[in-house]
Amino acid sequence: GAVVSQHPSWVICKSGTSVKIECRSLDFQATTMFWYRQFPKQSLMLMATSNEGSKATYEQGVEKDKFLINHASLTLSTLTVTSAHPEDSSFYICSALGGADIQYFGAGTRLSVL
Amino acid sequence: KQEVTQIPAALSVPEGENLVLNCSFTDSAIYNLQWFRQDPGKGLTSLLLIQSSQREQTSGRLNASLDKSSGRSTLYIAASQPGDSATYLCAVGDSSASKIIFGSGTRLSIRP
Repeated sequence: GAVVSQHPSWVICKSGTSVKIECRSLDFQATTMFWYRQFPKQSLMLMATSNEGSKATYEQGVEKDKFLINHASLTLSTLTVTSAHPEDSSFYICSALGGADIQYFGAGTRLSVL
Repeated sequence: KQEVTQIPAALSVPEGENLVLNCSFTDSAIYNLQWFRQDPGKGLTSLLLIQSSQREQTSGRLNASLDKSSGRSTLYIAASQPGDSATYLCAVGDSSASKIIFGSGTRLSIRP
């Protein structure tokens, strides 16, 4: 149980375009989901906390207008990277908060912006 | 502000050896501590979760310990195998577990 699906696993896009990443909790409901970013050979850094039905909470230094988060249902949160640029190329991972306050992680999305 | 440090950053050992990975954290008021495995370009696989009231957890060849008072955790891997090669991440859940702070990881390489 407690499976989190993240899609797509890999995306390549042109500079200036927008990319949407989906994070789904498959067998449980998650009122809270998290989005992390990981640069090569670095650890995961929390970008934002996504709360169902309300606005996301962004960490310091993360541009909310660039990284749009929507958590419209108890099983789906989306992260849209708007007007992507090469410096946005990274590995993005989501997690969903399940029972016993345990975060369950998706498999990640590798974004490459040309 | 919680800070999580993992030492060493990289480790290479021959197959069959027992090894210990270290994790330290600055704020002892934690909710839980988790060890993850990450293969190159992949997501996270949860290995062991230790609640703040626990001192250790075991799963197969893995044993994780937690000493909150000293701000330390160790991951012990017995009889290492080449398939254990990966990056191991230590992550500390804050007092509400709503925020996880990750260490920078230890890149482990097991030589056949």
